[in-house]
Parts: sequence; C-alpha cells; structure tokens
Amino acid sequence: NAGVTQTPKFQVLKTGQSMTLQCAQDMNHEYMSWYRQDPGMGLRLIHYSVGAGITDQGEVPNGYNVSRSTTEDFPLRLLSAAPSQTSVYFCASSYSNRGREETQYFGPGTRLLVL
Amino acid sequence: ILNVEQSPQSLHVQEGDSTNFTCSFPSSNFYALHWYRWETAKSPEALFVMTLNGDEKKKGRISATLNTKEGYSYLYIKGSQPEDSATYLCAFAAYSGAGSYQLTFGKGTKLSVIP
Repeated sequence: NAGVTQTPKFQVLKTGQSMTLQCAQDMNHEYMSWYRQDPGMGLRLIHYSVGAGITDQGEVPNGYNVSRSTTEDFPLRLLSAAPSQTSVYFCASSYSNRGREETQYFGPGTRLLVL
Repeated sequence: ILNVEQSPQSLHVQEGDSTNFTCSFPSSNFYALHWYRWETAKSPEALFVMTLNGDEKKKGRISATLNTKEGYSYLYIKGSQPEDSATYLCAFAAYSGAGSYQLTFGKGTKLSVIP
C-alpha cells in the first residue's frame, strides 16, 4: 500500500493564481481531511470529508474548496492564492471519524509559497 | 475552539537522559487523547490513543499517562536516544455530533537529543 500520497511536494504561486493540491489514499478510508501547518501553530483543520460526496468545513476553510467524488481522492483547491496561504499542507485519512480512537494517517505534505 | 496546550515548546536533552512533557486539554466532555510523533521531513505518525482516566500506554522507551479529571497527559521518554528527536503532538478528540469526532492538535513539543 502506498498509504496517503500528496502532489506536488513543493509549489510556488503568484498572488491570484489558482491551483489544486492532490491527495489520494489506497486504504479504503472513509474519512479524509486537509490541515495546514504554520510556524508556531498546531495543525489546523481546513476541510474534511466523511465519504464520497460529503464534505464539511473545518477551523480555517476560507479561501479553499474541496470535493470528494471518489473514496480515494480528496483534492484541495485554492481559487485565488494569497500570501497568507503560504504554508505546509497535510492530507490525512482514517477508516472513519465515528470512533474516538480512530488514528489518522498523514501524507508527506505539500509546501506552498505564495508570492 | 478548543484549547490544547503543550509544554515545553522545545526541549534539548543529552543522550541517555530521561525526559517528559505535558499536554493540557479541557477536562469536560473528554473522549480521547491522541499522541503523534513527527520526525523532520516526515509525516506525523500515531503513537498512542488514550481514553480512560489513569490510562498508561507504553511503546519501547516511550510511555504516556492520562488524567482526564484535571485535563493533562504526560509523555515520558526513558534514556533518550538521538533517534527520539522529533516533534511530539497531542490531539484532543472532541465530539462533533452525529456520532463523529474531530481532532484538535496542540502546537507540539520539539525534542532534540544531543549525542
């Protein structure tokens, strides 16, 4: 199993550009989520999905869109990038989020720089 | 927004020293406390999930205790080795309705073990 994969590993954007961060998992996990990691901050939840066709907002959703058309994929879209979105983005998945003991499996991260 | 605090923010110890650090979380509506280990340039990986007051978990030289009444968990590392150098994250599992849970992460404690 590849686990959770993310592409690209690193991206530089100009303000106003759009892009999609890709995330895929091959563990048949229902639950997938996107976090951002900023210096001095904990991992903050952007959006999450509890299954194909179902998404919801996390703590910091503004400026990001998501969709979940398949169980495997959960792309994160930046429609108009801003310097405040410079961050490291992690995708994570778990079998479900209906168990308090469900642990999450993280991807390798995407480092995004918005100029 | 839930307050999950970790202290200290960073820690430098000599190889062979034992060390511990703290995760503080809300003592009401407790469901589970997760610990993750995050090595530089890698993804966070689950260490422990703790659900019961007084719980103690152990994996090799790393152990954790849980006090849900006062809202804290300790992570202990006995005889630290350079390979223990990592950021240790705790995450509080909060009930988000409809039988589902969300993790709120602390900012982490960065441990550096000096050979």
